[in-house]
Amino acid sequence: AQKVTQAQTEISVVEKEDVTLDCVYETRDTTYYLFWYKQPPSGELVFLIRRNSFDEQNEISGRYSWNFQKSTSSFNFTITASQVVDSAVYFCALSEERGSYIPTFGRGTSLIVHP
Amino acid sequence: DGGITQSPKYLFRKEGQNVTLSCEQNLNHDAMYWYRQDPGQGLRLIYYSQIVNDFQKGDIAEGYSVSREKKESFPLTVTSAQKNPTAFYLCASSMGPGPYPLDFGPGTRLLV
Repeated sequence: AQKVTQAQTEISVVEKEDVTLDCVYETRDTTYYLFWYKQPPSGELVFLIRRNSFDEQNEISGRYSWNFQKSTSSFNFTITASQVVDSAVYFCALSEERGSYIPTFGRGTSLIVHP
Repeated sequence: DGGITQSPKYLFRKEGQNVTLSCEQNLNHDAMYWYRQDPGQGLRLIYYSQIVNDFQKGDIAEGYSVSREKKESFPLTVTSAQKNPTAFYLCASSMGPGPYPLDFGPGTRLLV
């Protein structure tokens, strides 16, 4: 069974639309961390955010926001007013204490923003 | 500028040939990782090293080998035992053992 599930393989939107990328995780640890990374067409992954399991506060950074809900084991990522430059593959990852914090990645969601 | 370099950007392997992918970092990070990316499969861990002269197998280590003789270098050898090596290979590093974000290199695309 996958520890990190990103059910949306590909999402296509038009510029200025809001879009939410889903991430569902599975763990038995009480201490764990969740991450989001962006992989633009150039191929190099870029770190976006990290949350720990004890902090369910939502976070906003510019047009990006993250919603962490332990009750549903989800850590969703919303881009408001999407732009063409947001086109990329986005990965959610989980680091568990029992796994020596070695990150496990989801399969990624490809976001295409059309002008 | 600090970062991770991977070379070459593209690599062509002939049948039965071993090839080595280079990964160097100047971030003074203790931990280094190799991931393989295939379309629709996400990133799968091949090997990781949390300290010099020590490394551990990841989920798909068969057909690969690594060494960690220096803190800044973590080369990956794709051996002839790896029957389906065509993929995008990503090297990453982090500050050390622990829940630190990874810094990634630009990747090497290996073609057979």
